[in-house]
Amino acid sequence: EDQVTQSPEALRLQEGESSSLNCSYTVSGLRGLFWYRQDPGKGPEFLFTLYSAGEEKEKERLKATLTKKESFLHITAPKPEDSATYLCAVQTYNFNKFYFGSGTKLNVKP
Amino acid sequence: DAGVIQSPRHEVTEMGQEVTLRCKPISGHDYLFWYRQTMMRGLELLIYFNNNVPIDDSGMPEDRFSAKMPNASFSTLKIQPSEPRDSAVYFCASRGGVGTEAFFGQGTRLTVV
Repeated sequence: EDQVTQSPEALRLQEGESSSLNCSYTVSGLRGLFWYRQDPGKGPEFLFTLYSAGEEKEKERLKATLTKKESFLHITAPKPEDSATYLCAVQTYNFNKFYFGSGTKLNVKP
Repeated sequence: DAGVIQSPRHEVTEMGQEVTLRCKPISGHDYLFWYRQTMMRGLELLIYFNNNVPIDDSGMPEDRFSAKMPNASFSTLKIQPSEPRDSAVYFCASRGGVGTEAFFGQGTRLTVV
């Protein structure tokens, strides 16, 4: 059965304290892995797409990487405005579904 | 483009009433998804359409839920009759093609009392 697991569920960081979020997946055929950011009361906002193992994408303080079993979202020197829930989703070749993980709630304290 | 537009933003209804949620996808996108988000279960895919045709509705929890897409610019998700356990935030998302990212609307927060 296709599965997406994110860890940790919640993460509290001090401003400037770098860390990583994990998204591990078990799917029959990965077409793509997507990272989203969700702020309270809003819909998920697209960040990155990764298609193959070894691929990396960067945007400001965020960097996403992909292996054959997991993806990491690295946050370098975070700021309070980076506080949000970060979701990963996988798209499979089977019916082109989008499966979401349960998310990591990040809180960056000043 | 204004993005994916959902209405209403908030809906409070009494148990047993019919509820209709609406979605206007981004123009030119040929995939449309309906999700439900709760604290307990996260984001669950309910159903998705390709070129207005329902492709997979295996996530629809019960026969009380139904979805339609009469044309490329409009979709509805209907719950009849509604129950308190249907309370959640319902999101609509659209995508331009296979392998591309999906764009989400702001969601409809449904409360069934």
